[in-house]
Amino acid sequence: GNSVTQMEGPVTLSEEAFLTINCTYTATGYPSLFWYVQYPGEGLQLLLKATKADDKGSNKGFEATYRKETTSFHLEKGSVQVSDSAVYFCALRGTGGYQKVTFGTGTKLQVIP
Amino acid sequence: GAGVSQTPSNKVTEKGKYVELRCDPISGHTALYWYRQSLGQGPEFLIYFQGTGAADDSGLPNDRFFAVRPEGSVSTLKIQRTERGDSAVYLCASSQGGGNTEAFFGQGTRLTVV
Repeated sequence: GNSVTQMEGPVTLSEEAFLTINCTYTATGYPSLFWYVQYPGEGLQLLLKATKADDKGSNKGFEATYRKETTSFHLEKGSVQVSDSAVYFCALRGTGGYQKVTFGTGTKLQVIP
Repeated sequence: GAGVSQTPSNKVTEKGKYVELRCDPISGHTALYWYRQSLGQGPEFLIYFQGTGAADDSGLPNDRFFAVRPEGSVSTLKIQRTERGDSAVYLCASSQGGGNTEAFFGQGTRLTVV
């Protein structure tokens, strides 16, 4: 079945540091890939997505590129802010009509001033 | 409302009791999902509704768990004979359809079984 593996946290960075959170997946065909973010005390929010190979999803300075050859969808940001502190979840949705979303275990990011 | 609403936000119950968790999806969204998120884990799929029918209930852990969506809008997740291992945050999400349409999540109900 489908699965998502993402790097374990917590990740602690200083403000303005470069961020990478690794995510790899296992799925048949060409799934859609997502990054969700959960800020403290809030619900899950879609951060960005990519629906086909080589697509780049981007939002709020975050980027992730759908790499079919390495089955990866790593999240990056060039300069993190304290307000980026949250838990980040990599997720995928399979192809063909209805498909449930499968999530990774989440990576907690803490950005310190 | 503007988003997915879940009530209650917190529920503490005694082992063996019955609980109901409610989800109000975004108006007009035909697809509704329930997930369970245990501490330190990602959300795990429980059940998916398309309209009134459960199109996929493969994630329900056992027959103590049941969910309904009688009018194709509000959904209720029901847990019988609760166990301490049922303690988790229960998330509801809705989308306009299946496939690649974006799913919007509620803030969840934190269930604690003591």
